[in-house]
Amino acid sequence: AQRVTQPEKLLSVFKGAPVELKCNYSYSGSPELFWYVQYSRQRLQLLLRHISRESIKGFTADLNKGETSFHLKKPFAQEEDSAMYYCALGTGGFKTIFGAGTRLFVKA
Amino acid sequence: DAGVTQSPTHLIKTRGQHVTLRCSPISGHKSVSWYQQVLGQGPQFIFQYYEKEERGRGNFPDRFSARQFPNYSSELNVNALLLGDSALYLCASSLFYSQETQYFGPGTRLLVL
Repeated sequence: AQRVTQPEKLLSVFKGAPVELKCNYSYSGSPELFWYVQYSRQRLQLLLRHISRESIKGFTADLNKGETSFHLKKPFAQEEDSAMYYCALGTGGFKTIFGAGTRLFVKA
Repeated sequence: DAGVTQSPTHLIKTRGQHVTLRCSPISGHKSVSWYQQVLGQGPQFIFQYYEKEERGRGNFPDRFSARQFPNYSSELNVNALLLGDSALYLCASSLFYSQETQYFGPGTRLLVL
């Protein structure tokens, strides 16, 4: 079965603390993984994708095929990082499966 | 470019009615995908269209249908509305059908009474 699991609905951290948003996937093919973010009153937008291996706004994510994970990390959280984060799995070009999302709240 | 646009922004219908939602992709994008997002959940894939052909379909009943026009805009149609169809319907465009970055519209919020 094709599935994306984000185990935490809500993650609350203090400003300056490290952040890790977990994402696990289930897919028998070669996965394409994405992190999308939705800031308050804004559209859903791409944060990063595993194929580009970029660091966006200080966030990184490494695809671990052995653990079927694609966790999102940032060493020092900022208040402006507070948002809804969705992990997404691309399956062969025609279908994208989203996780349920994790709301990140960064406290001052 | 205004980005992906969707209309209407909000819609109220009653059970059994039919609804049509519209989406205009970013200029130059040839692929449009539709998603349903119920409160508290992530977007659920409904359809992907590329070059006016359906390329992918999610686990939705036949009451859901869509099409893409020569200008790459798209319509999502839902027949015989049920209360459970109440949701935010998102449209996303991308350059091609391959798994590229998707650019999302603001969504259409549908309420079925």
